[in-house]
Amino acid sequence: EIVLTQSPGKLSLSPGERATLSCRASQSVSSRYLAWYQQKPGQAPRLLIYGASNRATGIPDRFSGSGSGTDFTLTISRLEPEDFVVYYCQQYGSLGITFGQGTRLEIK
Amino acid sequence: EVQLVESGGGLVQPGRSLRLSCAASGFNFGDYAMSWFRQAPGMGLEWVGFIRGRAYGGTTQYAASVKGRFSISRDDSKSIAYLQMNSLKTEDTAVYYCTKGYYYMDVWGKGTTVTVSS
Repeated sequence: EIVLTQSPGKLSLSPGERATLSCRASQSVSSRYLAWYQQKPGQAPRLLIYGASNRATGIPDRFSGSGSGTDFTLTISRLEPEDFVVYYCQQYGSLGITFGQGTRLEIK
Repeated sequence: EVQLVESGGGLVQPGRSLRLSCAASGFNFGDYAMSWFRQAPGMGLEWVGFIRGRAYGGTTQYAASVKGRFSISRDDSKSIAYLQMNSLKTEDTAVYYCTKGYYYMDVWGKGTTVTVSS
């Protein structure tokens, strides 16, 4: 199976700053099958980005995704207080679906 | 409004069975794959399996950790997806989510909690 490794595991930033979250795959992933989710405490995940770079419905434009092959990035351009939660990348391949272990954004 | 509502969770002894349901509304259920995921307490997200839509014959695929013990089915006439869980283990304790889709999951239910304990 394809292993996704997210870095850093925890990121400390201040509101208004820019966040860059990384997701590295153990083998090449089609951009079509790479997605990012946000999860707030006690809630189900919410789709942010699909197809590596397409914002899901209702997602603010401060969230953007990029990358290809084995390296993908989620960027939050100007952090709002509600953005300090956990983010997961996810891929779909012939052997099924895998997630990264998550990046926790915390307020500095 | 597109909505998914899971039910059927609870406390169950190791080795027993449980069936979860996922009631869908607000979209053409039969046209879409439905997936199940789980999240153990304090842990990350884990894929359980999915069932494709009718155009793809309703075929299924499962994670290695549940293959042979869990099965997914669907009743398109009722817009319900099911997760049948047999031979449950303590490590199956988690919140179980159903979702729409399988390349990416754009709709999630709120989840139902399954606790496997003697």
